[in-house]
Amino acid sequence: DVKVTQSSRYLVKRTGEKVFLECVQDMDHENMFWYRQDPGLGLRLIYFSYDVKMKEKGDIPEGYSVSREKKERFSLILESASTNQTSMYLCASSQGTGSLRLHFGNGTRLTVT
Amino acid sequence: TQLLEQSPQFLSIQEGENLTVYCNSSSVFSSLQWYRQEPGEGPVLLVTVVTGGEVKKLKRLTFQFGDARKDSSLHITAAQPGDTGLYLCAGVKKAAGNKLTFGGGTRVLVKP
Repeated sequence: DVKVTQSSRYLVKRTGEKVFLECVQDMDHENMFWYRQDPGLGLRLIYFSYDVKMKEKGDIPEGYSVSREKKERFSLILESASTNQTSMYLCASSQGTGSLRLHFGNGTRLTVT
Repeated sequence: TQLLEQSPQFLSIQEGENLTVYCNSSSVFSSLQWYRQEPGEGPVLLVTVVTGGEVKKLKRLTFQFGDARKDSSLHITAAQPGDTGLYLCAGVKKAAGNKLTFGGGTRVLVKP
């Protein structure tokens, strides 16, 4: 089974802090994704990556950046955290071109105070 | 306004009852997925439907893709407490680079 591991289950940060959310997958998947999940809004795509050092903006990239230096690791960065970035963050991976079967991590609940 | 609207947003039923969750859009999708998310975990893919009018069954769960590929439904027969969770539909549009668009989710609570 694919395992997608997010480094933290819960994080509490202060406004203005730089925040790193880490995600690692163990199945050599090409594609990795970052979503945020808010009640009633479902999952919204922040950024995704189809290859190492490659990134593409999703639907809500403002205030976020990403890094993919190694195939198995995809990091989400909040340069200057704000309270409206309080949310559940989900990382996912999928295999190959056109594969839409996403494998999700268990999420990181981030609170910005 | 969301591209995919799920209804109802919340459903609470007794064990043994049936339930139906709807996923509607004004857009056409090349395929549609259903995920279930349990508390403290990420969503897990249940099924993908591709053809208009397609019906897929997964034990007590029946998934249907609308003829026009704009809507889908999930029906659970004789619900059990283990069916409790957040059900999410997600549509794929080739014109959008094959990215998934998620609905807002339906939270289902099955009481014993």
